[in-house]
Amino acid sequence: EVQLVESGGGLVQPGGSLRLSCTASGFMFSTNWMHWVRQAPGKGLVWVSRISGDGTSTDYGDPVKGRFTISRDNARNTLYLLMSSLRAEDTAVYYCTRGSLTGLSDPWGQGTLVTVSS
Amino acid sequence: ELVLTQSPGTLSLSPGERATLSCRASQSVSSYYLAWYQQKPGQAPRLLIYGASSRATGIPDRFSGSGSGTDFTLTISRLEREDFAVYYCQQYRSSPPGLTFGGGTKVEIK
Repeated sequence: EVQLVESGGGLVQPGGSLRLSCTASGFMFSTNWMHWVRQAPGKGLVWVSRISGDGTSTDYGDPVKGRFTISRDNARNTLYLLMSSLRAEDTAVYYCTRGSLTGLSDPWGQGTLVTVSS
Repeated sequence: ELVLTQSPGTLSLSPGERATLSCRASQSVSSYYLAWYQQKPGQAPRLLIYGASSRATGIPDRFSGSGSGTDFTLTISRLEREDFAVYYCQQYRSSPPGLTFGGGTKVEIK
């Protein structure tokens, strides 16, 4: 079964840092683009970042550029999102999802909640 | 910058009725990269449709997608109780690279 499991969310103060993890199983992790997508409480889906299968290519959405860093460890089948200089507006559920050549995102993890508050 | 506008924001229908959801792009896009997702409260999104009209594995045939250019439609032919949820369209973009999501349409029980 193809599965993604996020972890690492929690409460963090403004200006702080947090690292999210997403552990993959059931597919060839190293050959797939991976994405992070977030959803603020009661709001819609917003793309955050993506990384190529070999980790050499990364892209970021404008709201997080320069503050977030996506990476992966293919030996551990794990995707990461290092979030720095966190702001209240970064409060959201963060999902990892597998990308594809047709642009679809499937499957999605269950999400991990990040709350930025003092 | 690509913007996807979904309408209506909320659709109030009864089980057994037909639902028609719209996704309009601010510029012409490739239907190859247009997908639809369903999200229920407290759950992650689930892929329904990719390539504008292909159903994902395990998706019932009451769900169908169509469209091209700037106008895309998700149709649910006969609503079942488990179909009441929020639906998002999504376009993969190459420049700048990333994903763009529509704002969502909530299908609620009338």
